[in-house]
Amino acid sequence: DAKTTQPNSMESNEEEPVHLPCNHSTISGTDYIHWYRQLPSQGPEYVIHGLTSNVNNRMASLAIAEDRKSSTLILHRATLRDAAVYYCILTGRRDDKIIFGKGTRLHILP
Amino acid sequence: EADIYQTPRYLVIGTGKKITLECSQTMGHDKMYWYQQDPGMELHLIHYSYGVNSTEKGDLSSESTVSRIRTEHFPLTLESARPSHTSQYLCASSELGDRNTEAFFGQGTRLTVV
Repeated sequence: DAKTTQPNSMESNEEEPVHLPCNHSTISGTDYIHWYRQLPSQGPEYVIHGLTSNVNNRMASLAIAEDRKSSTLILHRATLRDAAVYYCILTGRRDDKIIFGKGTRLHILP
Repeated sequence: EADIYQTPRYLVIGTGKKITLECSQTMGHDKMYWYQQDPGMELHLIHYSYGVNSTEKGDLSSESTVSRIRTEHFPLTLESARPSHTSQYLCASSELGDRNTEAFFGQGTRLTVV
């Protein structure tokens, strides 16, 4: 399975944008980039995923580098409810397992 | 809204007891997963299934077993619970396909073995 590297933790101020980086230098051409987050005392929840093009949804945006070796999850206006652990995961073939790393713990300062 | 359910949410049980953690989903998903997570730590995949009668061990060795007799149901069993099994267990499901769709997670079962 291809690996991802994320910072252990990040801080951001409330109501400001947050850029969460993820490096995946060994990504293959068929790997999708998925982001999940886990709020305190809850199971993980899906945030966004993409293959090559940047993606937007109601929760966040995903910016994918042209060489696909890195990506950035963008929360446009962080709220206290966005404090969570964010996981960047690669999934490839249709039968790929979903393997979580340590993720980035995001702290939001009021 | 995710339609995946885990029961019980909390379980405190004595050493040596047999326990079954239930996981059901109503989305018709072929892929199902069990993860184990200690407080403040990362999730470890312990079992997964690609459909009925398919079960595989995950990356973290576990003394638990699973079965997949029906698409919607993926129970996890511990034949003889021990204090080292104390942890949170999370179940998830997703479609099996090339579109690489998202996984949906249950709320988890927090198991304490005393």
